[in-house]
Amino acid sequence: QKEVEQDPGPLSVPEGAIVSLNCTYSNSAFQYFMWYRQYSRKGPELLMYTYSSGNKEDGRFTAQVDKSSKYISLFIRDSQPSDSATYLCAMRQTGANNLFFGTGTRLTVIP
Amino acid sequence: GAVVSQHPSWVICKSGTSVKIECRSLDFQATTMFWYRQFPKQSLMLMATSNEGSKATYEQGVEKDKFLINHASLTLSTLTVTSAHPEDSSFYICSARWETGGITNEKLFFGSGTQLSVL
Repeated sequence: QKEVEQDPGPLSVPEGAIVSLNCTYSNSAFQYFMWYRQYSRKGPELLMYTYSSGNKEDGRFTAQVDKSSKYISLFIRDSQPSDSATYLCAMRQTGANNLFFGTGTRLTVIP
Repeated sequence: GAVVSQHPSWVICKSGTSVKIECRSLDFQATTMFWYRQFPKQSLMLMATSNEGSKATYEQGVEKDKFLINHASLTLSTLTVTSAHPEDSSFYICSARWETGGITNEKLFFGSGTQLSVL
């Protein structure tokens, strides 16, 4: 079983739609949860960063962490064509260097 | 957010030559940097952890003699692919850990990646 599972998609939505991206994980020791956006042939860009459980909102983006279910989500409201990219979830334990990534979900927002 | 600069963005080299990739944290000091490899449509695979002033820690299956890592200062880590072969062709990405104080505020910022093509 992989440490982090993420549906690779691809996911296509019309402009303005609400997008829901999800990851599940198996290691209950994970405490830090991140979402990165990666454009083709570019490095990942940190979008959201959450410590432990709860919700975090930043503009059109909302990150949710449910540690009891080992499930994290990223919601994108009013999606734009510029949101088209691959979204990677990532997580790690306290004090650990290793960051575990999901495989990434390819999102296309159609104008 | 913090800025991590990675150069070059693209490199094409002949088989048997060595290639050096630089990773710099531009506006913060990073005692720890990481090197990843990414194949098309796949996620990032951690190759090694680079620690300033000490030897790098390599992940299982990564040849330390092939992928030389040097972290000589708090803002620079380099990855040298020695005697490159076509199977080394890949997208290499570095990241730097930004520690802003407190264990809840450690974040990883990534460079823009280097596409290596070995002919």
